[in-house]
Amino acid sequence: SQTIHQWPATLVQPVGSPLSLECTVEGTSNPNLYWYRQAAGRGLQLLFYSVGIGQISSEVPQNLSASRPQDRQFILSSKKLLLSDSGFYLCAWSVWGTSTEAFFGQGTRLTVV
Amino acid sequence: GDSVTQMEGPVTLSEEACLTINCTYTATGYPSLFWYVQYPGEGLQLLLKATKADDKGSNKGFEATYRKETTSFHLEKGSVQVSDSAVYFCALTSDNYGQNFVFGPGTRLSVLP
Repeated sequence: SQTIHQWPATLVQPVGSPLSLECTVEGTSNPNLYWYRQAAGRGLQLLFYSVGIGQISSEVPQNLSASRPQDRQFILSSKKLLLSDSGFYLCAWSVWGTSTEAFFGQGTRLTVV
Repeated sequence: GDSVTQMEGPVTLSEEACLTINCTYTATGYPSLFWYVQYPGEGLQLLLKATKADDKGSNKGFEATYRKETTSFHLEKGSVQVSDSAVYFCALTSDNYGQNFVFGPGTRLSVLP
């Protein structure tokens, strides 16, 4: 069966520090991969999605970036965090070439102080 | 572009009350429709789905029917429990490659004993 792992679960970082969140999927090949952000009490904002290795589409311009160095690995990064980057970050995957559901990781709670 | 509208709540009900959370959508083509549930501090879990008109998705006593004529996918449950307290998201994808999931803003449900 397929599983998605996202870490760390919680993170407190100072303003101006770098960020690296990692997400891996097991049990499937060539998945679509997504990074979403959820601000407190708000809905989901799509940040990036990827349909293959090295293929990243950005939905919202900001100081975050994403990379997909391997088929089932998706990394969210920042060189210098802002206070406004605080939020709940969710990784998700779906089956490429279908309109089936997306499966979500457990999320990372990021607090920038 | 595609969009999802749902009542934002919060919705507060007593245990064993009936629940309806309205969801309407606009989309090109023939979208697949989903309801996700998010418990505090966790990622999103798929609750139910429907992939074509008149399909009824159901799970854990919840159900929703894909109504193409009214472009709606309302979530219903006949008798809610305290454990149903969570945030519920209506979502769609109309992209056969799974590149574009659109989520509603979420509805917070609180069930009181």
